[in-house]
Amino acid sequence: AQKITQTQPGMFVQEKEAVTLDCTYDTSDPSYGLFWYKQPSSGEMIFLIYQGSYDQQNATEGRYSLNFQKARKSANLVISASQLGDSAMYFCAMKEAAGNKLTFGGGTRVLVKP
Amino acid sequence: NAGVTQTPKFRVLKTGQSMTLLCAQDMNHEYMYWYRQDPGMGLRLIHYSVGEGTTAKGEVPDGYNVSRLKKQNFLLGLESAAPSQTSVYFCASSYSGGMNTEAFFGQGTRLTVV
Repeated sequence: AQKITQTQPGMFVQEKEAVTLDCTYDTSDPSYGLFWYKQPSSGEMIFLIYQGSYDQQNATEGRYSLNFQKARKSANLVISASQLGDSAMYFCAMKEAAGNKLTFGGGTRVLVKP
Repeated sequence: NAGVTQTPKFRVLKTGQSMTLLCAQDMNHEYMYWYRQDPGMGLRLIHYSVGEGTTAKGEVPDGYNVSRLKKQNFLLGLESAAPSQTSVYFCASSYSGGMNTEAFFGQGTRLTVV
């Protein structure tokens, strides 16, 4: 069963606006970490932000914030003040404490329009 | 710092040929991973290693073999390439398997099997 679901295959956002990328996950492990990665057209995977299952506050890194709703098992990425350079694929991923593996969702392609 | 380096970056194989993808990391990481990326499916784990001399199967191991004879290197082998193995392959490494441990990725290898 797929553990990470990203329901938005692609989306457009206007430059300078905020965009929310959805991610839901499934796990029975009470200890887990959630990650977001960015993959620009050049292909590399860039780590953006991390949220632990026991973290009380939502993670923030610059223009990136993670809307963590534990009861709903969702970990949405919010990008504020979108820039043209934000156009990329974005992947949500999870690592369970009991496992050694990082499991990825299918990704969301974001295109920022000027 | 080099980080995670994959060799080669591009390759075209004929069906039935064999090849080895090399991943090298200079961060003294214990854990190393091989993923494949296909459109709409995110990154799927092929094999991984939790330390020198160890390997384990991931989500899609069939048709691939791996070896980790040295801590810094993780090799992915295709003994008899098939068109279904056309994909972009990513190597990653992490300091440990902990749930809060970030994975660092190589630049990817684009493999086409004709």
